[in-house]
Amino acid sequence: EDKVVQSPLSLVVHEGDTVTLNCSYEVTNFRSLLWYKQEKKAPTFLFMLTSSGIEKKSGRLSSILDKKELFSILNITATQTGDSAVYLCAYSTSGTYKYIFGTGTRLKVLA
Amino acid sequence: GAGVSQSPSNKVTEKGKDVELRCDPISGHTALYWYRQSLGQGLEFLIYFQGNSAPDKSGLPSDRFSAERTGGSVSTLTIQRTQQEDSAVYLCASSLYRGPDTQYFGPGTRLTVL
Repeated sequence: EDKVVQSPLSLVVHEGDTVTLNCSYEVTNFRSLLWYKQEKKAPTFLFMLTSSGIEKKSGRLSSILDKKELFSILNITATQTGDSAVYLCAYSTSGTYKYIFGTGTRLKVLA
Repeated sequence: GAGVSQSPSNKVTEKGKDVELRCDPISGHTALYWYRQSLGQGLEFLIYFQGNSAPDKSGLPSDRFSAERTGGSVSTLTIQRTQQEDSAVYLCASSLYRGPDTQYFGPGTRLTVL
């Protein structure tokens, strides 16, 4: 059965710290992995990863996919209180545009 | 340019009643998704519409749930004979092309079934 697991479930850090969020998956016919940030209700798209070993970067956020070991990480450097949110990863499979989400990692950044 | 809108923002209903949730996607977006998010959980896929193709209904949890998309634009998610376990935030998203890099989410409808 296809599944996606995120860890840790929650994390509390101080401003300026670097955090690494993990997303592991077991998926048949994997196509892509996605990261979202959810602050209130509506998730905001961060990255889509399809190729192994290629880092996507946007400001202080970066993400990479390892298709051999079946996981992805999301790194946030020099964290700020505005980074406090739930970070969701999701995967899609070939032949469909349905996305299956993990339960998320709740990040809290203290001033 | 307006984003994805959903109505109502909050809905409280009694067990056994039917409810309708509405989603107005961004104009011209051909793909529309419904998700459900229970407290402390990730997003649960419900249904996906793409243009005039038959919708992917594989995520609907029971036959009490149905959705329509009229004229390729507005969508309505209907839950019949609501149960307390239906309480959740229902999120709608739309995208222009096939792919999440243009998937925009609405603010959601918080449904509470008493």
